[in-house]
Amino acid sequence: GNSVTQMEGPVTLSEEAFLTINCTYTATGYPSLFWYVQYPGEGLQLLLKATKADDKGSNKGFEATYRKETTSFHLEKGSVQVSDSAVYFCAPIPYTGNQFYFGTGTSLTVIP
Amino acid sequence: SQTIHQWPATLVQPVGSPLSLECTVEGTSNPNLYWYRQAAGRGLQLLFYSVGIGQISSEVPQNLSASRPQDRQFILSSKKLLLSDSGFYLCASERSGANVLTFGAGSRLTVL
Repeated sequence: GNSVTQMEGPVTLSEEAFLTINCTYTATGYPSLFWYVQYPGEGLQLLLKATKADDKGSNKGFEATYRKETTSFHLEKGSVQVSDSAVYFCAPIPYTGNQFYFGTGTSLTVIP
Repeated sequence: SQTIHQWPATLVQPVGSPLSLECTVEGTSNPNLYWYRQAAGRGLQLLFYSVGIGQISSEVPQNLSASRPQDRQFILSSKKLLLSDSGFYLCASERSGANVLTFGAGSRLTVL
């Protein structure tokens, strides 16, 4: 089955700092990889995804590259803003399965 | 695009009382539907998923149950709530074959 290991939080950064949230996974087959974001008091929203090895997903200044050799999908942003404060979830989704399993989530707080 | 409606948004219930959380989906037919629970300070736990009317798969044995009486309606229930049932419950929908989840805004349950 699938499992995800995410970087422990909470993470606190100053505005304009560089962000990395690590994510490694184990999966059968070749999963698609996703990052979801949860803003305070809301449900989750899809942030970005990558469907095959070496693909780079990007959105809102965030990027993550599908690294099959290291089974990783680390989330990065060059310059974070206060509005990026949220919980970030990594999820490998199997190509043929119905089960969407998420990492434990990493809470990010950006201070002015 | 899909829209997920969840209600009630917040609920405070005594231990031993029943529960019914409802989720309806607009904008797609025959979706795969999911219930997740997010306990305070913890990640997302997949509770149930459904690939069609009357078809429910349970991921974690507990005192909760789910039903899907109509194609775009997914209900989470309990006959007798426990303190440990407190949490943030999220309904999600996957457009058939899309491999991407759309989440509702969530229902926050506090059991006292």
